[in-house]
Amino acid sequence: AQRVTQPEKLLSVFKGAPVELKCNYSYSGSPELFWYVQYSRQRLQLLLRHISRESIKGFTADLNKGETSFHLKKPFAQEEDSAMYYCALSPWDKLIFGTGTRLQVFP
Amino acid sequence: DVKVTQSSRYLVKRTGEKVFLECVQDMDHENMFWYRQDPGLGLRLIYFSYDVKMKEKGDIPEGYSVSREKKERFSLILESASTNQTSMYLCASSLPTGTGFYEQYFGPGTRLTVT
Repeated sequence: AQRVTQPEKLLSVFKGAPVELKCNYSYSGSPELFWYVQYSRQRLQLLLRHISRESIKGFTADLNKGETSFHLKKPFAQEEDSAMYYCALSPWDKLIFGTGTRLQVFP
Repeated sequence: DVKVTQSSRYLVKRTGEKVFLECVQDMDHENMFWYRQDPGLGLRLIYFSYDVKMKEKGDIPEGYSVSREKKERFSLILESASTNQTSMYLCASSLPTGTGFYEQYFGPGTRLTVT
């Protein structure tokens, strides 16, 4: 079955602390994986995708096929990072989303 | 800049009413999608469409139908609204896979309340 698991509903950290949002997936082929973010009162938008291997707003995510994981990391959290984060798997033209993790960054 | 617009930000309807949610995109995208977003459940795909007059069921199509008469417009229809369809509805569009950079662009959402 194709599935995306985000085990944490809420992650709370203080400004300057490292952040890791966990994502595990289940997929039999070669997946395309994404992180989407939704800031308060804004629309859902793409944060990054695994094949681009880039850092966006200080966030990075590495695909680990052995552990079937695609965790999102940032070394130093900022208050403006507070948002809802969704991991998504694309088997073809569709996206399969995880249940999301709300990140709260306290000053 | 891709624009995906949804006809209403907030909608309140009564149980049993027929409800139309409209979505329009201006980037000539082939693919369009309807999701519902619920706390603790994430985004779940209701229906999607690869082209005009084409539609495919997603993971939770029961109680919904769709219409795509024009490439830029994708409508979600609740034939007889029920309280368990109270949710945030998100529309998205994208280019087809194989065109290079694949990304779904989302509308602002419609918060539907069924009383």
